[in-house]
Amino acid sequence: AQTVTQSQPEMSVQEAETVTLSCTYDTSESDYYLFWYKQPPSRQMILVIRQEAYKQQNATENRFSVNFQKAAKSFSLKISDSQLGDAAMYFCAYRRWNNNDMRFGAGTRLTVKP
Amino acid sequence: GAGVSQSPSNKVTEKGKDVELRCDPISGHTALYWYRQSLGQGLEFLIYFQGNSAPDKSGLPSDRFSAERTGGSVSTLTIQRTQQEDSAVYLCASSYLGLADITDTQYFGPGTRLTVL
Repeated sequence: AQTVTQSQPEMSVQEAETVTLSCTYDTSESDYYLFWYKQPPSRQMILVIRQEAYKQQNATENRFSVNFQKAAKSFSLKISDSQLGDAAMYFCAYRRWNNNDMRFGAGTRLTVKP
Repeated sequence: GAGVSQSPSNKVTEKGKDVELRCDPISGHTALYWYRQSLGQGLEFLIYFQGNSAPDKSGLPSDRFSAERTGGSVSTLTIQRTQQEDSAVYLCASSYLGLADITDTQYFGPGTRLTVL
């Protein structure tokens, strides 16, 4: 079974600084997808960034980037120039390439201090 | 255009009662997903609908849980004889194609918070 582990229940960062959220996963598959979702207090899950396992290049979306280490089964999210609006729960998720069942980690609550 | 909507936003019920949770997906989206988010936990997959195909019910935790999707659009998640451990936020998501493709992004609704007393 695939499992996703987020070892940091809570993180905090000063506004304008950089923070990295950790995620590891367990799988025997070679083809899969990884995601980071943001869940603000409104509860609406928002896709932040995604990565195909077959791509070695790390995905980047504006201030958000990932460090994908396939051999280590690690998928961390880096948020640069943190903003107050980045405060939320962040969930790491895994999905097999031919399966719509997404597996989520338990989440990391990010606080941004002004 | 409108996003995924869910109703009610909050539901409080007594143990043993049945509840129905509704999800309106984005118009034109063929795939619909239900997830459960317990307090302090990630999302747990419940069920998946794709077009007219038989739903993937592999995530339903017990036979008290069922879901249907009428006309390939609106979906209702029904929990019979609710138990206190059913208390959670129930999230619905939809996607355009439902294919095993990274471009098939799931868009989430705001969820229904269910509290079973």
